[in-house]
Amino acid sequence: DQQVKQNSPSLSVQEGRISILNCDYTNSMFDYFLWYKKYPAEGPTFLISISSIKDKNEDGRFTVFLNKSAKHLSLHIVPSQPGDSAVYFCAASQRSGGSNYKLTFGKGTLLTVNP
Amino acid sequence: SQTIHQWPATLVQPVGSPLSLECTVEGTSNPNLYWYRQAAGRGLQLLFYSVGIGQISSEVPQNLSASRPQDRQFILSSKKLLLSDSGFYLCAWTNRGGGETQYFGPGTRLLVL
Repeated sequence: DQQVKQNSPSLSVQEGRISILNCDYTNSMFDYFLWYKKYPAEGPTFLISISSIKDKNEDGRFTVFLNKSAKHLSLHIVPSQPGDSAVYFCAASQRSGGSNYKLTFGKGTLLTVNP
Repeated sequence: SQTIHQWPATLVQPVGSPLSLECTVEGTSNPNLYWYRQAAGRGLQLLFYSVGIGQISSEVPQNLSASRPQDRQFILSSKKLLLSDSGFYLCAWTNRGGGETQYFGPGTRLLVL
C-alpha cells in the first residue's frame, strides 16, 4: 500500500516557466513533509520542507504548498532552470517512538527543464 | 559542518558472496542512522534504522543485516547475496533531537551477477 504517491513519473517544462510537482498521501499521521532532489548515481539532496501546521513554505525559487484536507502537497519552482533537471522525491514523516522519525517516500518525478 | 561518507561507491559481486557496506558521519554526535535501498525505477525503501550504538531496527524482512559498532558508523551486511539485492544503497542521518530532516550520503551502487 503506497502511502505517498507521485502520480506523474515525468514532467517537462521550458526554462523560465513554472514547474509544479505534485504529491498525495493517505496517512493522516504524517506531520512533516519534505522534498528531495536527486541526480543519477548520487544521494538525494534536501530541498525544502513543511510542517503540517502550515500551508506554505518558501525558500528562494522553491515553494511548497500543503493542503491537509485534500492530503496533497506540491512543489513550485519559479523560474525553472536547466540545472533543476533531476528526479524529485516527496517524503512524509511520522514519529516512530522516542527520538526517531520515519520517512516514507514517493517513487519520484523526473523533471526535465528544456533550454 | 556535518558530512556523510559511504564506500565503496560501486560494487559488483557474484551471487552467494558476502557484502559489507560502510557509512560514517562526521561533525555530529548521537545521530539517528538509516539504510535505504532504491531499486531500479522505484522509490526509496527504508531497510534499517538505528538510534544508538548496537540498536538496530529492521523495517522489512530480507537477506540483509545492519550493525552500528560505533556512534557514527553504520554497516550493512549480507552473508550470501541474491540477485534481488542489486540496487542503489543510501545511508542517511538525522540529529537525535529534532530529526525530521534526513541527510543522505552519496550512495553505493551494488550489482549482483
